[in-house]
Amino acid sequence: GAVVSQHPSRVICKSGTSVKIECRSLDFQATTMFWYRQFPKQSLMLMATSNEGSKATYEQGVEKDKFLINHASLTLSTLTVTSAHPEDSSFYICSAREGYNQPQHFGDGTRLSIL
Amino acid sequence: GNSVTQMEGPVTLSEEAFLTINCTYTATGYPSLFWYVQYPGEGLQLLLKATKADDKGSNKGFEATYRKETTSFHLEKGSVQVSDSAVYFCALFPSNTGKLIFGQGTTLQVKP
Repeated sequence: GAVVSQHPSRVICKSGTSVKIECRSLDFQATTMFWYRQFPKQSLMLMATSNEGSKATYEQGVEKDKFLINHASLTLSTLTVTSAHPEDSSFYICSAREGYNQPQHFGDGTRLSIL
Repeated sequence: GNSVTQMEGPVTLSEEAFLTINCTYTATGYPSLFWYVQYPGEGLQLLLKATKADDKGSNKGFEATYRKETTSFHLEKGSVQVSDSAVYFCALFPSNTGKLIFGQGTTLQVKP
């Protein structure tokens, strides 16, 4: 079946560091990718939607300059958390779909811990 | 607006018990409905889906029927296993926004 690969699975770094998370669709072309944040024992919060070759659309309350999203190809999107602080610690999950009415497939998530 | 409401968890069952996790939705138009499962420390996996009224999605012994008259998409399984322990998310895909809307998730714990 469709596979979305997310890397790294876990990151621990110092406050002020920028962290890049990659999301790849392995066996389909992802015209749209999504980035979510999940707090412990809570549902997924959509952060932004990106279409290949276009600027990402951010949800209300999500800082564009803090969470940089790039979707330069049909198989790769990246999320960069810039100058990360402890409050950015969370579980980040990417998702991708091939077409508008196609199911979304999710990566395994990245556990980000900022010390 | 569009929203999804799931029964609160955790749901604790003994192995081989019958499972029902309730999900109701509010939506305009004709949305697609999904169930996703999240195992500890992992992302979400698509469990099953239904794209129109009266469709029944099924996978790995789980099933759910899209009921437009009751705006529901309840997840059922006849005999749960310990390995089914996970968090289950009901989700709605409205045709007008292109974005999945998730319920709050229901934790299932199956004891041997």
